[in-house]
This record gives sequence, C-alpha cells and structure tokens, in this order.
Amino acid sequence: DVKVTQSSRYLVKRTGEKVFLECVQDMDHENMFWYRQDPGLGLRLIYFSYDVKMKEKGDIPEGYSVSREKKERFSLILESASTNQTSMYLCATSPEAWDGYTFGSGTRLTVV
Amino acid sequence: SQQGEEDPQALSIQEGENATMNCSYKTSINNLQWYRQNSGRGLVHLILIRSNEREKHSGRLRVTLDTSKKSSSLLITASRAADTASYFCATADSWGKLQFGAGTQVVVTP
Repeated sequence: DVKVTQSSRYLVKRTGEKVFLECVQDMDHENMFWYRQDPGLGLRLIYFSYDVKMKEKGDIPEGYSVSREKKERFSLILESASTNQTSMYLCATSPEAWDGYTFGSGTRLTVV
Repeated sequence: SQQGEEDPQALSIQEGENATMNCSYKTSINNLQWYRQNSGRGLVHLILIRSNEREKHSGRLRVTLDTSKKSSSLLITASRAADTASYFCATADSWGKLQFGAGTQVVVTP
C-alpha cells in the first residue's frame, strides 16, 4: 500500500512565522496535492504538482508556496503564518490523473 | 470552489440499517469518487465510478451515477458502528484534479 506521511500531526505556530509542512510518499506517484479542510467548507485545493519541479496553483494559493525538489517529497510553505491559516492540512498523492487519491493523516495547524 | 454538494449534511441511523447519501455536481466530469474520513484523520478512498458507468458495487457499498441529473448516491448496506465517519464525494475535472464537497456526517448507533 502507498503510504503518505505528513511530518507533524499537530503544530502550533505564532503569527508571522514561516511554517513548513512536509509530505513524503513511498511509492512512485507522479501527482501530489495539498488541501486545507475547514468545517462547512470541505476540502479546498491549495497547490498541486504533476512532476518534479512542477507546481500549479489550486483554488486558494494566496499566502502559500510549495516546493518539490524530489519526486517523493512535496512541501507546503506558509510564508508568514496568519490566524486565518489555522486549519487541517491534508496531503494526497495519485499515480495518474483521474485516479483515486491516497491521503496522509493530516496536520492540524494552529496559528496563535 | 466546491463542485460536489452532499445531502444530507448529517445522518443518524442504527446498526443494521442502510445509509444513503447523495451528491450533486455542476459541470461535466471524468469520474466521481467517494471518500470516508474518520474523525480528525485523513480521507480514505472508497470507490470510483467513471462517467460512462451507471452503478458500481464494492462490498457493502453501492454507488450510482446519473450524469443527466449530475448526481450520484452512495448506499451503505447493513451499517455498523465502524461506519461512523464523514463521507465526501469528489469530482475529477478535465485536468484530473479533485473537487470535494463539504461531506455528510454519518453516525451509526449500536
């Protein structure tokens, strides 16, 4: 089974800090995604990547950036954390476009 | 933007009963997928139905798709307490990206 590992389960950061959320997959999946999940809003796509060095904006990229230097690792960066970025962050992968996704366990980030 | 909208938002049933939830979407799709999320965890892929399929089964799950009505339903038969979770539908756009709905929260009581 594909395993998608998110480095932290819970994280508390201060406003203005630069925050790195790491996601690592142990299979050879091309596609990786970052979503945030908020009550009543479902999952919203922040950024995605279909290849190493490639990144594309999702629906809500403002305040975020990403890095994909290696195929197995996709990092989400909050350049200057704000309280409205308090959320559950979910990383997902898929082997091909339109395939089912495998999700990590999520990182619950609180910005104070 | 949310593509899929689940209905109802919440569902409470007893063990052994069937649970049905619906999903409506707005634009044409390549496929539609259903996911389950246990409290505070990541989502788990349950089933994928392609736009040219009308019905699909997987264990106690039955999914239907009506592309003319832009709707899908997920039926869980003979529910168990372990089925307590949130269920999400997701539609794949032309680029293969998934758009998720807000989910249906299902509680199964013993």
